[in-house]
Amino acid sequence: DTEVTQTPKHLVMGMTNKKSLKCEQHMGHRAMYWYKQKAKKPPELMFVYSYEKLSINESVPSRFSPECPNSSLLNLHLHALQPEDSALYLCASSQVGLLDTQYFGPGTRLTVL
Amino acid sequence: DQQVKQNSPSLSVQEGRISILNCDYTNSMFDYFLWYKKYPAEGPTFLISISSIKDKNEDGRFTVFLNKSAKHLSLHIVPSQPGDSAVYFCAASLGRDDKIIFGKGTRLHILP
Repeated sequence: DTEVTQTPKHLVMGMTNKKSLKCEQHMGHRAMYWYKQKAKKPPELMFVYSYEKLSINESVPSRFSPECPNSSLLNLHLHALQPEDSALYLCASSQVGLLDTQYFGPGTRLTVL
Repeated sequence: DQQVKQNSPSLSVQEGRISILNCDYTNSMFDYFLWYKKYPAEGPTFLISISSIKDKNEDGRFTVFLNKSAKHLSLHIVPSQPGDSAVYFCAASLGRDDKIIFGKGTRLHILP
């Protein structure tokens, strides 16, 4: 299984809502990532988890809260988002760290109204 | 300041010909480079990588060349196929625990 899955595929939420994005991989990878991608821009790294511990937080606002319940799962909790947070949110995983090949999920298309 | 630059936003190539995508970088400490391919509405797919100790890496139709003195790498696709039409991202890393920095991407159109 060389797949990273993400749910939901699409999400529309208001600025007062609380929602979560989910990511799952069963490749035995110990590093997992959240990226944000705006239209026609490259993916921007948000968070890196290594061995279920947050190792990199790229100065992301606190309205985004990552969680890694176990080595296969990665969540991104969303609260009080702004319309400018609308983007494609990509999850990725790699064997150990950032130097290893990253496998990306299909992404969640988020729209904040 | 952009550390990884892909100066051509788009490129059109005839099917069957060679596609050459270019990437320049500014940080001489980068030691690992990657190319990703992205179709619309999908996540980036890893294509090929190269370590700074090499100057060439080949995988099927894809070859990446690295010129460290020029801080330049290129991806060659030969022969180009219709399914190669996508956005190609060049990326670079400083080491195992450092982040990957992406270029802005080049949209490749393969013409019939």
